[in-house]
Amino acid sequence: DGGITQSPKYLFRKEGQNVTLSCEQNLNHDAMYWYRQDPGQGLRLIYYSQIVNDFQKGDIAEGYSVSREKKESFPLTVTSAQKNPTAFYLCASSIPGQGTETQYFGPGTRLLVL
Amino acid sequence: AQSVTQPDIHITVSEGASLELRCNYSYGATPYLFWYVQSPGQGLQLLLKYFSGDTLVQGIKGFEAEFKRSQSSFNLRKPSVHWSDAAEYFCAVGGPFGAAGNKLTFGGGTRVLVKP
Repeated sequence: DGGITQSPKYLFRKEGQNVTLSCEQNLNHDAMYWYRQDPGQGLRLIYYSQIVNDFQKGDIAEGYSVSREKKESFPLTVTSAQKNPTAFYLCASSIPGQGTETQYFGPGTRLLVL
Repeated sequence: AQSVTQPDIHITVSEGASLELRCNYSYGATPYLFWYVQSPGQGLQLLLKYFSGDTLVQGIKGFEAEFKRSQSSFNLRKPSVHWSDAAEYFCAVGGPFGAAGNKLTFGGGTRVLVKP
């Protein structure tokens, strides 16, 4: 079955530590996205990538980094510069077209700070 | 800048009753509009989308939404709610010309509780 997988489901970060969230898709989509979800605030875009080896900052990129070395993979690193990392992180993918195409979401990773 | 407002944070509805979730958007051109549903601790599932054409859009799980340009609204409706519809619902807006990397802007969500 085609889809998006995110791992781990839960992730714990110690102060000063960098952690990496995995996102893999086998939908053959070119575009991938990372969102952060906090209660009552909906989803906010962290980074997005429309093609391999290229990515753009979203609305809240500070304290995060990404890479896009393969079409299937778009890992997100939460760095120690992100002072409030506790949130639910969602990865999505889409086929870039003439406009905003439908984005398909993974099951999410919940990041907690120890 | 594009934005989405979902005025109702929580809605409680009895099973079998009708449901309407409000969504108001701000966008400078013809919007692409989406409704997603999220069960607790899960990712988002697309319910329906509007790009152009008929302003009444049918989706999965018996949901429909109506695009009203004059009111900048895209309200979601279901005639008869089932207990399994208890979830959080998100409205989102994007653009037709690939502007800003085809970014979606989401509303804050409406949590739906279903009473037996």
